[in-house]
Amino acid sequence: DTGVSQDPRHKITKRGQNVTFRCDPISEHNRLYWYRQTLGQGPEFLTYFQNEAQLEKSRLLSDRFSAERPKGSFSTLEIQRTEQGDSAMYLCASSLAGPIEQFFGPGTRLTVL
Amino acid sequence: DQQVKQNSPSLSVQEGRISILNCDYTNSMFDYFLWYKKYPAEGPTFLISISSIKDKNEDGRFTVFLNKSAKHLSLHIVPSQPGDSAVYFCAASAHQTGANNLFFGTGTRLTVIP
Repeated sequence: DTGVSQDPRHKITKRGQNVTFRCDPISEHNRLYWYRQTLGQGPEFLTYFQNEAQLEKSRLLSDRFSAERPKGSFSTLEIQRTEQGDSAMYLCASSLAGPIEQFFGPGTRLTVL
Repeated sequence: DQQVKQNSPSLSVQEGRISILNCDYTNSMFDYFLWYKKYPAEGPTFLISISSIKDKNEDGRFTVFLNKSAKHLSLHIVPSQPGDSAVYFCAASAHQTGANNLFFGTGTRLTVIP
């Protein structure tokens, strides 16, 4: 399977704990995106990397959120001091530099109790 | 501030008939539009896209129409099949501004009745 993969698929945590998610993009894609999707809404953009450089951040990405893509391959999204409002599906997507089409992974569903 | 709107939360169509899903946008800087399909417990799957320099793009059973003056686009599926039952998201990009993120609508759940 050469698609975008995400790990874990599900995460349940208690309020105040830190969580980290991983995304492995399609191997030749140099662009990687994180989105968040809550119930009844479409995905909302969080941040974007080109290779290892984080080029855009949404205002949704509070200071409790941090994302990295250390070698321009996989990426991690960490949420510190989780809150119940962080409960959502976290989606990763990747693309080539030219085309606009983004290809999504299956997502990580986070539940904060 | 919802810049991409899908005003129909759901749509039911008989198998073999045409499905028409609609999408409106407010940002005149959007110049590229995409449709994604999403099954439960999966990520969105890219279906078809259209640049603002075109008014129609066709790929098999799927056709997207763009009306720039009305800031409206639609996805036509002909003929509809039960396997098309999913949530469909419209998305837009302001690529000309150098932005790379997509703005999504809230989705329309399509049910194709056998």
